[in-house]
Amino acid sequence: ILNVEQSPQSLHVQEGDSTNFTCSFPSSNFYALHWYRWETAKSPEALFVMTLNGDEKKKGRISATLNTKEGYSYLYIKGSQPEDSATYLCAFTYKYIFGTGTRLKVLA
Amino acid sequence: DAGVIQSPRHEVTEMGQEVTLRCKPISGHDYLFWYRQTMMRGLELLIYFNNNVPIDDSGMPEDRFSAKMPNASFSTLKIQPSEPRDSAVYFCASRRHGDYGYTFGSGTRLTVV
Repeated sequence: ILNVEQSPQSLHVQEGDSTNFTCSFPSSNFYALHWYRWETAKSPEALFVMTLNGDEKKKGRISATLNTKEGYSYLYIKGSQPEDSATYLCAFTYKYIFGTGTRLKVLA
Repeated sequence: DAGVIQSPRHEVTEMGQEVTLRCKPISGHDYLFWYRQTMMRGLELLIYFNNNVPIDDSGMPEDRFSAKMPNASFSTLKIQPSEPRDSAVYFCASRRHGDYGYTFGSGTRLTVV
């Protein structure tokens, strides 16, 4: 059974704080890892697609790193804002498996 | 590009009734996925198609669920008979071979009472 695990499950931070969370996935049969941002009542929105060990991607205040050998990826948000509040999902595309997400709430 | 289109957006039905959810993928996308989202289990892959052919249906919960893709522009997910535990949001997503990202539809919120 392939498992994609995300931690923490939920997180509350103050506006302006930087934060990070983790996605763990099987290190064998790696193809690609996706990060999605999912706001309530909307469909998941793609943030990053990461394919190579050591990949680092950045989009504004959000960045991600990838370690395929040990099977993890980190998502970082610098200077969190209330509009960053959402569920952040990672997906492991060998079997199109999603993690259960990290629910981030940024308090003003 | 209209994106991935799902219908209906909301469906409320009585236990035992047949429910059909519909999806129109993005034109040119040759992979189509059906996911179910629940609070307890997050996003679960139910089935995916490549070039209209079902490739992996191991996530389909039981025989009450069936999915078809009669052509490249349309897919259905059917539940017959429906049960209250089927209540969830069902997402369809598509992608093009060689691209890494998916595009999701807006989902169908199903409530079985």
